[in-house]
Amino acid sequence: SQTIHQWPATLVQPVGSPLSLECTVEGTSNPNLYWYRQAAGRGLQLLFYSVGIGQISSEVPQNLSASRPQDRQFILSSKKLLLSDSGFYLCACRGGAATGELFFGEGSRLTVL
Amino acid sequence: KQEVTQIPAALSVPEGENLVLNCSFTDSAIYNLQWFRQDPGKGLTSLLLIQSSQREQTSGRLNASLDKSSGRSTLYIAASQPGDSATYLCASDTGGFKTIFGAGTRLFVKA
Repeated sequence: SQTIHQWPATLVQPVGSPLSLECTVEGTSNPNLYWYRQAAGRGLQLLFYSVGIGQISSEVPQNLSASRPQDRQFILSSKKLLLSDSGFYLCACRGGAATGELFFGEGSRLTVL
Repeated sequence: KQEVTQIPAALSVPEGENLVLNCSFTDSAIYNLQWFRQDPGKGLTSLLLIQSSQREQTSGRLNASLDKSSGRSTLYIAASQPGDSATYLCASDTGGFKTIFGAGTRLFVKA
């Protein structure tokens, strides 16, 4: 099965600072990759998904962006963070199997002060 | 638009009890239904995935069922243990690369 690595695990950033969260996947090739955000006490919100290198689809208009420079690398970025960007960011992967099973990384907790 | 609802939002049971977690969805045209476990501050761990052509899946003390016609899935946990304490989420895949999640059921198993 796939293994998903996310870093950093925890991040505290001031408002207006840039952001870069990285996700890499092992154990599969050409996966569909996803960024979700989980706010405290709320469900998962899909932010971006990618079906291939350089192909990004955005689900929610915001000051975040995503990039996929390599097949198994997915990056979430922001030029200027807002307080509302605080949350738990999860990278997920679906690929390599006909079942369509979704696998998640351990998450990155972002606090914007 | 698919909506996924999980009831109850929270559940507390004594150790050893068998329990059922419920998940309902509005669009029966799903590809699969997946159950996850999430421990505090951690990512989601896949427990069971049921394809649309299947009625149930089992893994150890866990059994998940799927009834597309009624828009329901249940996760049965046998002989619950304190280590089962976590938040359980169900998610439906209706294609188009999108998976819709429920808000989860927070389970606490008392020793």
